[in-house]
Amino acid sequence: DAGVIQSPRHEVTEMGQEVTLRCKPISGHNSLFWYRQTMMRGLELLIYFNNNVPIDDSGMPEDRFSAKMPNASFSTLKIQPSEPRDSAVYFCASSPGTVGETQYFGPGTRLLVL
Amino acid sequence: AQSVTQLDSQVPVFEEAPVELRCNYSSSVSVYLFWYVQYPNQGLQLLLKYLSGSTLVKGINGFEAEFNKSQTSFHLRKPSVHISDTAEYFCAVSSSGFQKLVFGTGTRLLVSP
Repeated sequence: DAGVIQSPRHEVTEMGQEVTLRCKPISGHNSLFWYRQTMMRGLELLIYFNNNVPIDDSGMPEDRFSAKMPNASFSTLKIQPSEPRDSAVYFCASSPGTVGETQYFGPGTRLLVL
Repeated sequence: AQSVTQLDSQVPVFEEAPVELRCNYSSSVSVYLFWYVQYPNQGLQLLLKYLSGSTLVKGINGFEAEFNKSQTSFHLRKPSVHISDTAEYFCAVSSSGFQKLVFGTGTRLLVSP
C-alpha cells in the first residue's frame, strides 16, 4: 500500500488567501484524522471522521477552518481566509477504525502564510 | 480530560548507551498508551502500544516500554541506542473506548558518536 498521501507537501501563500490541503487515507481504513503541529502548541488533533462522518471537531480553531470527507478515499482541510498564525505542518492520519488501532500518518503539508 | 507529560524536551546520549524517555499521563478512566517516533521531515510512526495484558511492551527497533498504573507512567527504554535513533519521540494516550489520541509535547533524542 502507498500509505497515507497528502498534497501539496509544501504551500506558501499570502495572508487572506484560501488554502486547501488534501488527504487520501489508506484503502480500507474507516477513520481519518487531521492534526496540526507547531513549535508552540505541539501536535493537536483538529478533527476526525469515522465512516466519512465528523465525530469530533472540537480542535478546529475557528470558523476559518473547515474539513470535509466526501467519500472514503478523500478528505480536505480548508482555511479561508488564511492568517500567518496558521503556519504549521498539517498531518493527516488514518486507522482501520477500531479503538486502540494504530494511526498511520502521512508525510505532512508544510504551510507558510506570509 | 486526559493529558500527557513528557518531562524531558531533549535527551542527549552517546551511541551504544542506554536511554529512558519518560512519560506520565493523567486520566480518570482506563487508557491505551502509545509511543510514536518522528524522523526529520516525516510523519509519525508507531513504535509500540499498550492496550491490555502484559505491562512490558516490546516495539520496533529494540524499544520497549513498561506500563505502571500506580505511577501513571509509560516510560520508553532502549538498552543500546544507535545514531539512527536520533528523532523526536511522542507519548500519547486515549481513553479505552475512544479513538482520539492526546499527545505529549515530545522528547528529542540526540545520539552522538
